[in-house]
Amino acid sequence: SQTIHQWPATLVQPVGSPLSLECTVEGTSNPNLYWYRQAAGRGLQLLFYSVGIGQISSEVPQNLSASRPQDRQFILSSKKLLLSDSGFYLCATTAQGAIYGYTFGSGTRLTVV
Amino acid sequence: AQSVTQLGSHVSVSEGALVLLRCNYSSSVPPYLFWYVQYPNQGLQLLLKYTSAATLVKGINGFEAEFKKSETSFHLTKPSAHMSDAAEYFCAVSALGSSNTGKLIFGQGTTLQVKP
Repeated sequence: SQTIHQWPATLVQPVGSPLSLECTVEGTSNPNLYWYRQAAGRGLQLLFYSVGIGQISSEVPQNLSASRPQDRQFILSSKKLLLSDSGFYLCATTAQGAIYGYTFGSGTRLTVV
Repeated sequence: AQSVTQLGSHVSVSEGALVLLRCNYSSSVPPYLFWYVQYPNQGLQLLLKYTSAATLVKGINGFEAEFKKSETSFHLTKPSAHMSDAAEYFCAVSALGSSNTGKLIFGQGTTLQVKP
């Protein structure tokens, strides 16, 4: 079965600082990978998804970027954080298509101050 | 395009009472539907899924949901609420389409409060 690791669990960063959140998957190869953001009182917003190494699709224009340097590694980055980047970031994977649903990481709580 | 609407951002029930969380979807193709639960500061855990087999789907922790195409609904129910059911619940829809990206579209979530 798939296992997804996400870190760090919490992060407090000043405005204008860089960001790097990492997510790795075990137990599967060539997974689909996703980054979601959950803002306070709101649902989950899909930020990026990837169906293979180096293949990144962005769902919304924003201050963030994503990369997939290895098959089971997915990184969320920013060069300069904004206050509006605060939120709960979730990495997710699905190995065999949407009918199996997602496996989620435990999330990163990012507070930009 | 797919979308999900969860009716009621907050639902409060007494322990032992029926739980009903409402979800309506919109999809131009036959949908796959999911319910997830999220406890504070944790990721989401899959409760159950509908993938075009039986319309009544049973999940973990005593939850079940019924797919009603005519009503475009996928409401989540549990006969008797337990204190440990207090959490946030998300309904989600997916359509594979030709790209097979597997993207899930989530509703805004419903916070379930269980009163003793």
